Amino acid sequence: NAGVTQTPKFQVLKTGQSMTLQCAQDMNHEYMSWYRQDPGMGLRLIHYSVGAGITDQGEVPNGYNVSRSTTEDFPLRLLSAAPSQTSVYFCASSPGQWSVAQHFGDGTRLSIL
Amino acid sequence: TQLLEQSPQFLSIQEGENLTVYCNSSSVFSSLQWYRQEPGEGPVLLVTVVTGGEVKKLKRLTFQFGDARKDSSLHITAAQPGDTGLYLCAGGTGSNYKLTFGKGTLLTVNP
Repeated sequence: NAGVTQTPKFQVLKTGQSMTLQCAQDMNHEYMSWYRQDPGMGLRLIHYSVGAGITDQGEVPNGYNVSRSTTEDFPLRLLSAAPSQTSVYFCASSPGQWSVAQHFGDGTRLSIL
Repeated sequence: TQLLEQSPQFLSIQEGENLTVYCNSSSVFSSLQWYRQEPGEGPVLLVTVVTGGEVKKLKRLTFQFGDARKDSSLHITAAQPGDTGLYLCAGGTGSNYKLTFGKGTLLTVNP
C-alpha cells in the first residue's frame, strides 16, 4: 500500500520562484489537506478539500494555491516563494464523513533562499 | 480559534520510567486524536477517542479523553527507547473536517 505519496522530498528555491508540491493518495479518501510544520509552531493547516472540485482555506493560506481535479491528487502551488515559506510540508488524507483521522505523507522539506 | 496546549514541551527520561503527556483546551472537541512522529517522517495515528471519559489502551500506552471533552492525556508505562518521538494531539469538531493540532511533546527515552 502506497498510502499518501509526496514529491519531491527535498527542494531548494530562490525567492520569487514558483513551484508545485505534489500529493497523491490511493485510498479513495474524500478529504485531503496540506499542513506546514515549523519549529515551535506545530502543524498548521494551509488548505483542505472535502472532495474533487471543492477546496477551502485553512489557518495559513496566504501565498499558496490548491486545486482538486481528481479524488487522488491534491497539489499545492507556491506562487512566488518567500523565505518565510521555508518549512516542512505535509499532505494528509482521511476517509472524511465518518473519520477525521489523518493519514500523512512523509513530507517535503522546502528551503527558500 | 480553537487552541490545544500540550505539556510538557520536552521530556527526557530513562528506560523503564512512566510518564504522562497532557493536552488541554478551553474548547470542546467531538474527537481527540494522538499521533507519533519520528524524525524525517509524517505523523502516524495512535488512537482516536470520541466519548467523554473514554479510556483506550494500546499495549503500554493509555489514552484518556476528559469528561467534558476539552482535554486528554497519554500515559506510557515502562517507557522504552522505541517510544522516542514527537507526540501530537489533535482535536476535531463535528461540523467540519479541520483538525487543530497541539505543538507537540518531544519525548526522549534514554537506554
